Amino acid sequence: DQQVKQNSPSLSVQEGRISILNCDYTNSMFDYFLWYKKYPAEGPTFLISISSIKDKNEDGRFTVFLNKSAKHLSLHIVPSQPGDSAVYFCAARGGADGLTFGKGTHLIIQP
Amino acid sequence: DTGVSQNPRHKITKRGQNVTFRCDPISEHNRLYWYRQTLGQGPEFLTYFQNEAQLEKSRLLSDRFSAERPKGSFSTLEIQRTEQGDSAMYLCASSPAGFGTDTQYFGPGTRLTVL
Repeated sequence: DQQVKQNSPSLSVQEGRISILNCDYTNSMFDYFLWYKKYPAEGPTFLISISSIKDKNEDGRFTVFLNKSAKHLSLHIVPSQPGDSAVYFCAARGGADGLTFGKGTHLIIQP
Repeated sequence: DTGVSQNPRHKITKRGQNVTFRCDPISEHNRLYWYRQTLGQGPEFLTYFQNEAQLEKSRLLSDRFSAERPKGSFSTLEIQRTEQGDSAMYLCASSPAGFGTDTQYFGPGTRLTVL
């Protein structure tokens, strides 16, 4: 039973355009959400997070939106750059234990 | 470099052997986490330490797995009698304690291959 779902295994976006990565969750107890970026053979790198009391958080080219009623969050990257090509994981925290991750979306930035 | 470090980066072993991995967290981070990631999946939580106390264990952590964090600094994860199904990337993460500081910072991982 997947509590965090990333339904798009891959996404291809042209350089300079906006990349939108989506994530859905089922557990109402999740109160903190994070996005990580991962290159092959490396550990996940933290990108941006959002608390459940907010609906938007922005950091440079990255913005995360949270819609609690729909149990949906999205990561917007604008403008997309070649170095953004990686696997992006959505993660959620509920309580003191570890994060629950989605399966990831492979973002490919086309020149 | 003050990031999370893990050793070894790669480990190849034969089925039935024991293996041990080490994780050094970011200095002054009280919390330390172990995750496992298999191909096509996101990281899956295994266990978590607050200082030297192991506070949470996932049902994924079978009896063959044991983790320690003596003195609340580095941590080790041991797998006894390895099986081919244990082949995965083992990730360690750390975070500072306190409400609202749950951003976990990951190490590069140890890739285990069981032949």
